[in-house]
Amino acid sequence: AAGVIQSPRHLIKEKRETATLKCYPIPRHDTVYWYQQGPGQDPQFLISFYEKMQSDKGSIPDRFSAQQFSDYHSELNMSSLELGDSALYFCASSSGRVNTEAFFGQGTRLTVV
Amino acid sequence: AQSVTQPDIHITVSEGASLELRCNYSYGATPYLFWYVQSPGQGLQLLLKYFSGDTLVQGIKGFEAEFKRSQSSFNLRKPSVHWSDAAEYFCAVGGNRDDKIIFGKGTRLHILP
Repeated sequence: AAGVIQSPRHLIKEKRETATLKCYPIPRHDTVYWYQQGPGQDPQFLISFYEKMQSDKGSIPDRFSAQQFSDYHSELNMSSLELGDSALYFCASSSGRVNTEAFFGQGTRLTVV
Repeated sequence: AQSVTQPDIHITVSEGASLELRCNYSYGATPYLFWYVQSPGQGLQLLLKYFSGDTLVQGIKGFEAEFKRSQSSFNLRKPSVHWSDAAEYFCAVGGNRDDKIIFGKGTRLHILP
């Protein structure tokens, strides 16, 4: 079965650079969530989208933005990167029309040097 | 606001011994409850979930969890642990449809040979 696809799997950026992370949800899933997991931390909710509209917002820095496109894939844009942004970024998808759990991708490991 | 408490940061058990990881939640409505496992640097793997019905749920890898509404708990159990069970375990709570999932701080499980 198709799973949530995240790209890239690994990314190295320098401070003050920008990064774009992509998430391709499971087919027919209309909801996407983004999480950030720092070293030794639990995943922290950043933002979510339902039917291409932002549905909830968590602890997402102002330097970050995200959107969900017409094909339901989502992108997390990160600007003015800081060392503290180094983390594992997870995307998850679910169906808002059917009660089911969110399925997580394998994550993108971002390292800021 | 929804929250998850995992009181034990680290737990050490001997291989072959039984295991119980504690989880308490706070949620304003009927919760959806999850247990995830994560090996170092890896993604989140869903062990089991509770949506409704039988309060004792079976998961993968021989794990089970029991939902106790009166205690707001969802403890994870395994009758006999294996060295490969050493990992970080996250309890999580969410609602239905497009409600986000909130994670506990995690419990690191160590296995003694």
